[in-house]
Amino acid sequence: TQTVSQSDAHVTVFEGDSVELRCNYSYGGSIYLSWYIQHHGRGLQFLLKYYSGNPVVQGVNGFEAEFSKSDSSFHLRKASVHWSDSAVYFCAVTEAYQGGRALIFGTGTTVSVSP
Amino acid sequence: EAAVTQSPRSKVAVTGGKVTLSCHQTNNHDYMYWYRQDTGHGLRLIHYSYVADSTEKGDIPDGYKASRPSQENFSLILELASLSQTAVYFCASSKDWGGYTGQLYFGEGSKLTVL
Repeated sequence: TQTVSQSDAHVTVFEGDSVELRCNYSYGGSIYLSWYIQHHGRGLQFLLKYYSGNPVVQGVNGFEAEFSKSDSSFHLRKASVHWSDSAVYFCAVTEAYQGGRALIFGTGTTVSVSP
Repeated sequence: EAAVTQSPRSKVAVTGGKVTLSCHQTNNHDYMYWYRQDTGHGLRLIHYSYVADSTEKGDIPDGYKASRPSQENFSLILELASLSQTAVYFCASSKDWGGYTGQLYFGEGSKLTVL
């Protein structure tokens, strides 16, 4: 079964702390991975993606993610969170061929940033 | 700025009634998607389209139809709305399959309540 798993449903951090959001996938073929952010009541916005090359990819607003083929993971990190980072974060997988499955989302991780 | 607009943003429908959710993009993108968001399930793909006058089934197409009359417009149609279709629906567009060379751009969502 092809899956995308985000093990943490909810994470609470203090402003200025670092945060890591975990994403694990189970796919056998060629894929690419991405992270999206959803602020309350809004649509999803793109943060970053990985297909090949350097396993550490940089995104907007200080976010970065690291791909690990051996661990089947694509974890998202930020060194110092701001209150505006409070949102739901979705990891997504796309099968890299037309007709494949497009953007299969995990269930999301809600990040709450306390002052 | 890439833009995807959905209408209506919120709708209450009766069981058995017909519901049409509309999506308009000004991105000049070929690909458009309809996703459904439910708590605990993340987003799930209902239908997608990569050319006008053609639509494809996603992962959960049962009970839904889609229509792409032009490159800019993509509608989701519930012929006989049911309680289980209460959810938030998101439209998205992308230049290529799954946002391979870029990203998906999402609308703000349409909250549908079926009573």
